[in-house]
Amino acid sequence: DQQVKQNSPSLSVQEGRISILNCDYTNSMFDYFLWYKKYPAEGPTFLISISSIKDKNEDGRFTVFLNKSAKHLSLHIVPSQPGDSAVYFCAASAYNNDMRFGAGTRLTVKP
Amino acid sequence: NAGVTQTPKFQVLKTGQSMTLQCAQDMNHNSMYWYRQDPGMGLRLIYYSASEGTTDKGEVPNGYNVSRLNKREFSLRLESAAPSQTSVYFCASNALPATNEKLFFGSGTQLSVL
Repeated sequence: DQQVKQNSPSLSVQEGRISILNCDYTNSMFDYFLWYKKYPAEGPTFLISISSIKDKNEDGRFTVFLNKSAKHLSLHIVPSQPGDSAVYFCAASAYNNDMRFGAGTRLTVKP
Repeated sequence: NAGVTQTPKFQVLKTGQSMTLQCAQDMNHNSMYWYRQDPGMGLRLIYYSASEGTTDKGEVPNGYNVSRLNKREFSLRLESAAPSQTSVYFCASNALPATNEKLFFGSGTQLSVL
């Protein structure tokens, strides 16, 4: 059972525009959410996170929004840059640190 | 600043062969993890070690064994490889057990089982 779902396998955006990546989860015990970024032939690297007690967290061009009632989170990248082209994984964890990942969304930012 | 180092980067096995994937971290982290990545499935946890001397099963442990050799090293063993174990394997670590600390990943091992 996939407890964390990223329903869009890919997303293409023009440079300078906003990229919005979405993630849904089913387990109400998840209380911490993370986004990781992965380039080809590399391991995922941490990008940004949010605790369930917040509904928004911002770090430079990256903002994560959490809607607990809808069990939905999103990552906004503004403005998008060609170097942002990568696979983005959404992850969620509960108190026991069992971190579950979505299938990933491949973002392509076109110059 | 090596971080998490995995070896080998690539491996081809025949069905039934055994092999061990090695992982070492130099960040003095307590917890270490093994994930596999398959198309359309994301990263799935195979085994983890919350602290030196302990190991626990994750989401997909069947067909694997692990050893936490010391605080730095955490190995994953396939005793009798099967084609279903063809995947990309990632080792990861973080500072504290039972927290929501972010993971630091190695660069992965691409394994093909023929």
